[in-house]
Amino acid sequence: EDQVTQSPEALRLQEGESSSLNCSYTVSGLRGLFWYRQDPGKGPEFLFTLYSAGEEKEKERLKATLTKKESFLHITAPKPEDSATYLCAVLLRSRVDQAGTALIFGKGTTLSVSS
Amino acid sequence: NAGVTQTPKFRVLKTGQSMTLLCAQDMNHEYMYWYRQDPGMGLRLIHYSVGEGTTAKGEVPDGYNVSRLKKQNFLLGLESAAPSQTSVYFCASELAGAYEQYFGPGTRLTVT
Repeated sequence: EDQVTQSPEALRLQEGESSSLNCSYTVSGLRGLFWYRQDPGKGPEFLFTLYSAGEEKEKERLKATLTKKESFLHITAPKPEDSATYLCAVLLRSRVDQAGTALIFGKGTTLSVSS
Repeated sequence: NAGVTQTPKFRVLKTGQSMTLLCAQDMNHEYMYWYRQDPGMGLRLIHYSVGEGTTAKGEVPDGYNVSRLKKQNFLLGLESAAPSQTSVYFCASELAGAYEQYFGPGTRLTVT
């Protein structure tokens, strides 16, 4: 069964304390991996897409990396405004053949950054 | 440019009642999606559409129907609401094949 697992479920950091969030996947044929940010009471907001092992993407204090089994979202010197739930999602090769992008989402990691 | 909007923002239904959730997008996107988000379950795909007049089932379609009569609108219907349908519902849209999905602000539905 295709699975996406995010860890930890919750993470508390002090401002400036760097850390990483993990997204591991057990899927048959990965076409792409996506990271989204979700603020309380709002819809997810797209951050990154990664397509192949070794690929990296950066945006401000965030850097996403991809291996054959997992992806990391590294947060460097976080600020309180980085507090949110971070969602990981995968797109399978089998689903690409069908029209539409049917993603499988993980349950998310809730990050809290205190000043 | 409003992006993706959802109506209503909140709704309380009694078991057996029906309702329709409306999603509208002004980005001329071909693909549209309906998800539900429950605590501890993550986002799950209910139905989706790749174009006007076409719809398809996602992971959890039972108890829901959808229609896409106009490219910019995607409607999600509950014919006979059940407490198990208490959830937050999100609509998303995508430029065909771009993979990046844009989400609406969500509708919080409670069925008592």
